[in-house]
Amino acid sequence: QLQLQESGPGLVKPSDTLSLSCTVSGGSLNSTSYYWGWIRQPPGKGLEWIGNIFYTGRTDYNPSLKSRVTMFVDTSKNLFSLRLSSVTAGDTAVYYCATSPGYCSRTTCYNLYYMDVWGKGTTVTVSS
Amino acid sequence: QSALTQPASVSGSPGQSITISCTGTSSDIGSYNQVSWYQHYPGKAPKLMIYEVTQRPSGVSNRFSGSKSGNTASLTISGLQAEDEADYYCCSYAGYNTFVIFGGGTRLTVL
Repeated sequence: QLQLQESGPGLVKPSDTLSLSCTVSGGSLNSTSYYWGWIRQPPGKGLEWIGNIFYTGRTDYNPSLKSRVTMFVDTSKNLFSLRLSSVTAGDTAVYYCATSPGYCSRTTCYNLYYMDVWGKGTTVTVSS
Repeated sequence: QSALTQPASVSGSPGQSITISCTGTSSDIGSYNQVSWYQHYPGKAPKLMIYEVTQRPSGVSNRFSGSKSGNTASLTISGLQAEDEADYYCCSYAGYNTFVIFGGGTRLTVL
């Protein structure tokens, strides 16, 4: 059974880059059946989709965060990562990694854009 | 793109049914059948309850059901139980460039 576990610093300074990783167990990052994504929840607010990445490196990003977000996969370590640059207090949140199912036809792969497996989340605070 | 619109709170008594609405636009809910719903207990990981408007993942109680009409999706919980008290979020695909948007969340209280 697929399981996800977030890791990374719990405290990041303003203007620095937030870096988180999500280790995958029970499945392979090379799978064509999953897209690997990040969602966050600021304190007292709702969920916000950050983006996702396919094993090929293809990414989809939330347009409001696109200029600051980078995602990548490390198939040798079976993990995928999130980097968010130039952080402010507004980036303080619980960050979740999650999978979205997908499928491939002969020529194209498709993301079904719902999140079926989630990590437990990790709290990141932006503060000096 | 703005978040989908959900009521901030709903409540019901054990055994009753409640419905949570999720209103979007013709660019998201109205155009795609990729609406999903998540149950979220504070401090826990969200749990997928409904996907593709009406589909229930394996293991989710059949007391949970989803529907859609025009630009509005709905989650209905029948036979309310105390354990259903949680936050519920709707989510929709919103096309290329925007991709995924969530609702603001609805706090369900079981009286």
